[in-house]
Amino acid sequence: ETGVTQTPRHLVMGMTNKKSLKCEQHLGHNAMYWYKQSAKKPLELMFVYNFKEQTENNSVPSRFSPECPNSSHLFLHLHTLQPEDSALYLCASSHLSPLAGTGELFFGEGSRLTVL
Amino acid sequence: AQSVTQLGSHVSVSEGALVLLRCNYSSSVPPYLFWYVQYPNQGLQLLLKYTSAATLVKGINGFEAEFKKSETSFHLTKPSAHMSDAAEYFCAVTVSGAGSYQLTFGKGTKLSVIP
Repeated sequence: ETGVTQTPRHLVMGMTNKKSLKCEQHLGHNAMYWYKQSAKKPLELMFVYNFKEQTENNSVPSRFSPECPNSSHLFLHLHTLQPEDSALYLCASSHLSPLAGTGELFFGEGSRLTVL
Repeated sequence: AQSVTQLGSHVSVSEGALVLLRCNYSSSVPPYLFWYVQYPNQGLQLLLKYTSAATLVKGINGFEAEFKKSETSFHLTKPSAHMSDAAEYFCAVTVSGAGSYQLTFGKGTKLSVIP
């Protein structure tokens, strides 16, 4: 399997549930990202991991908890979400080194989250 | 900090007509510029990129874009629209440097193709 794979593709959860989104990349990249895409809003960068270390957290509420056990896997743990958290969550990966890439991101197909 | 502005949140063209999607950027250092396409219920796919080589960049599916420094623009064009081009298009900018790359995305332009 190649590219960036996200599971599940669709998730419906109640406000008191705990669930996780999973992302796996098979591109040999060493940076991974979570983006949130809501209707009528620009893409919002949530978290960035370089070599498994979190380097960015763009003021994301603590009900979103990322985990990056290795450079190929990224999780987004969800708990006590709000209806306004309903969105498409996109995982992406990239090279870090300027010599190995030119900054483009490779995206998964996204996990569509609905919070009831 | 860098930014991009996409003019027009929605563009409609007839099948076979020219596609022109506009993007202007702001960056204090030479930028890297990208166009991504997103089909319904899909992730973003890279269409083309400018990384300081040729100013006219050709991408997939017959799209191309021209980097114009004097106009701080990177407009996306395709000579003849096809029904399969209907999607949302995002312009993005970043700069090279140590550490992770972070793209700044525009708000997107939704392209409709009328038969």
